[in-house]
Amino acid sequence: KQEVTQIPAALSVPEGENLVLNCSFTDSAIYNLQWFRQDPGKGLTSLLLIQSSQREQTSGRLNASLDKSSGRSTLYIAASQPGDSATYLCAVKRETSGSRLTFGEGTQLTVNP
Amino acid sequence: DGGITQSPKYLFRKEGQNVTLSCEQNLNHDAMYWYRQDPGQGLRLIYYSQIVNDFQKGDIAEGYSVSREKKESFPLTVTSAQKNPTAFYLCASSISGGGGKPQHFGDGTRLSIL
Repeated sequence: KQEVTQIPAALSVPEGENLVLNCSFTDSAIYNLQWFRQDPGKGLTSLLLIQSSQREQTSGRLNASLDKSSGRSTLYIAASQPGDSATYLCAVKRETSGSRLTFGEGTQLTVNP
Repeated sequence: DGGITQSPKYLFRKEGQNVTLSCEQNLNHDAMYWYRQDPGQGLRLIYYSQIVNDFQKGDIAEGYSVSREKKESFPLTVTSAQKNPTAFYLCASSISGGGGKPQHFGDGTRLSIL
């Protein structure tokens, strides 16, 4: 059974700091990995999707990397801003699970002005 | 604008009552999904549908039912058999069930017990 873990559960940083969020998964037979952002009381917004054949994806100040063999992904946020404060979730799609995603519990990020 | 609309935003259920959560999308997506989110936890899959008139159970389907009569709509009924229904419910859709396409989410419905 695929399990996804995110560390840390919560993170508080001063504005302008670069930071890394971690995601690990137990079954390396994944199809892709997706990073989402969730604001309080809201749905999820897709940030980056990395296919299993890719090593990283970038969008603006965000960079996500994938090491499939070690079961790890990181989300790097450069020059953090208070508007980045949210919960960040990663989710993996297994090769054999069709469209099903397995989610981590999320990292709650607070960026202090 | 295209997107996913969930309603209502807040819903209260009495003991022994069935309630239905609405999910509508105008993205022309084939696949739709229902997730449950409890405080401090990730999302867990309740049901999903890859095509009209077909749906499959997810990891926590007990106490829930769905229908998929139209491509745009995927309502979720929380039945009286679901003994702990208080949670945040999220609906999502994607272009197709397979492939590497991302899932798009609605803004959720928060269900509470009266």
